[in-house]
Amino acid sequence: DAGITQSPRHKVTETGTPVTLRCHQTENHRYMYWYRQDPGHGLRLIHYSYGVKDTDKGEVSDGYSVSRSKTEDFLLTLESATSSQTSVYFCAIGDLAGPLGDTQYFGPGTRLTVL
Amino acid sequence: AQSVTQLGSHVSVSEGALVLLRCNYSSSVPPYLFWYVQYPNQGLQLLLKYTTGATLVKGINGFEAEFKKSETSFHLTKPSAHMSDAAEYFCAVTLSRGGSNYKLTFGKGTLLTVNP
Repeated sequence: DAGITQSPRHKVTETGTPVTLRCHQTENHRYMYWYRQDPGHGLRLIHYSYGVKDTDKGEVSDGYSVSRSKTEDFLLTLESATSSQTSVYFCAIGDLAGPLGDTQYFGPGTRLTVL
Repeated sequence: AQSVTQLGSHVSVSEGALVLLRCNYSSSVPPYLFWYVQYPNQGLQLLLKYTTGATLVKGINGFEAEFKKSETSFHLTKPSAHMSDAAEYFCAVTLSRGGSNYKLTFGKGTLLTVNP
């Protein structure tokens, strides 16, 4: 399995509070992604990173921000959590080089509940 | 723009029967196509992918998919379903070959149920 960890794995928080989710990789992959998964919507891209300090928005980026200060860590922040952000969040990593290029590897997910 | 459509949010088959999960894509340039599987309470894992070369791609657990450009399809098949195949399956596409725009677009998923 690709070395990806997410923390925390479960979190319950209240509306209006800030929340930060962490994704950590040990594979030295260039690309990192944050998705949310909701019933009936599949996986939707929130933000992604194509290098240290290089990030861009996905299709559902409103209410979220990200930071990547080093290769191995990609942080997702909900500035002021809302109930609509209750979801399962997945981090993924990827790279283009080598026989396993063009493949994204997924972390185990973080289940976030906003009350 | 890139997009995928998975026909059928839920497919039910009997153990031993053929599995067919449908995926159609939309793109203006040759795509890279992927199938991922998600078991309950787990992350996604790659089943197979098509990038270039042979259009019939074999993956793990006996699954295969065929890239048909004329039909803009990449359907996933398995000749004989096993109980352990019960999971959610996602088709994904990318048109990018790197740079700052390298990302996948996923379909909404198909839940496969296997009946004994």
